[in-house]
Order: sequence, then C-alpha cells, then structure tokens
Amino acid sequence: RKEVEQDPGPFNVPEGATVAFNCTYSNSASQSFFWYRQDCRKEPKLLMSVYSSGNEDGRFTAQLNRASQYISLLIRDSKLSDSATYLCVVPTDKLIFGTGTRLQVFP
Amino acid sequence: EPEVTQTPSHQVTQMGQEVILRCVPISNHLYFYWYRQILGQKVEFLVSFYNNEISEKSEIFDDQFSVERPDGSNFTLKIRSTKLEDSAMYFCASSEAGGRGYEQYFGPGTRLTVT
Repeated sequence: RKEVEQDPGPFNVPEGATVAFNCTYSNSASQSFFWYRQDCRKEPKLLMSVYSSGNEDGRFTAQLNRASQYISLLIRDSKLSDSATYLCVVPTDKLIFGTGTRLQVFP
Repeated sequence: EPEVTQTPSHQVTQMGQEVILRCVPISNHLYFYWYRQILGQKVEFLVSFYNNEISEKSEIFDDQFSVERPDGSNFTLKIRSTKLEDSAMYFCASSEAGGRGYEQYFGPGTRLTVT
C-alpha cells in the first residue's frame, strides 16, 4: 500500500457545487494530517490541519477516520478560485505527499 | 508576512554541469528542507537540515546532491553533475521547529531544466 493515496481526478464541478476528496494513508501511527493546495506551477500552501476527528474552516471541512486510515476534504459552495490541486499530506519529520486531486470549477 | 524566497526562478543547464539553487528561509525558522516535483508527479522529499547538519535524506538525495547553509540566511542545494532526470521544480521549505505538528512554509520554487 502506498504511504498516501489520492484519487487524481480531475473533478469538474459547477460553481456552487459541493465536492469531496478522499485520501488513505498506510501508517496507522500517524497522528496529524494536512491538506495543502497547489496552483498550477506554484508552491504548495497549507489549507487545513487535521489533528483529531476533523476540522472546519468556512466552506472547507476535513474529516479523519483513524480506524479506516482515511481523510476527506469537503468543499461547499465551490468558487472558480477553488480550482487547484489538493494535496493530502502526512507529516512525519518530513512531509509525505499524495499525488494530489485536481479540481476544476466551471461557471 | 514573512516568506521563503528562492533564486533563480528558472535555471537551464546542460547535462553534466553543476547547479546551485538558493533559498532564504523565514528568519526565525530553524528547520530547512528541499523537495522536488517532477512535472506531473507528486512532491517528493529530498533532505532536511537542522543545526548545520543533515537530519534526514531520501534515496533521491545521492552523492551528487549536497546542501549548505553558508551564512545566517541562505540555504543552498547543489547538484554536482546534472542529469536529464534532475529536471524538476525544486522547492525549499522552512519551519519553526521539527516534528509532525509544525507547518512547513514553501518557497515559490526553482524550475530546473537540464538539456
């Protein structure tokens, strides 16, 4: 099993839609997780941290299921500006990145 | 807001040449990292650096790679003899402290093209 696995997408959704991305991780000892956002040819930027069962920040909700080793990111009311690649990241002493899920929001 | 800076933004070099990629981490950060991303692939860890020495390195970080903090502000990645497969985006990152809970802040990257 890969350390971090994500559905690569792309997810093409209309503005206003709700979209969810999934991520699975292999190391059951992992305690915290990150979702980073990466725009085309730019650096990754932290979107959300997930330390317990979940975290919510405005339109974004991250959930963690330790038993299934599964993390999700839900985006409500999608905006055109949400178009990007969303990276699931498991932090150890380094960051272990998934391949990312590409989201394209269309008008 | 403090940020990580990297120079150059784009470097083109011929196979076999040496390149040095430069980074200025956030000033009060103590941990420094290099990652790379080959076009269309995931971001991969190369090396971490703390207290003037390498903390951890990946299998990618072979003898052709080295890192240095030559002064109090710069953090460099050197590739001694570049190969075509070294073509990638190289990101520098820094964090206040090490360990799982600390955010790593990324620079804008250097796009390295080896011809």
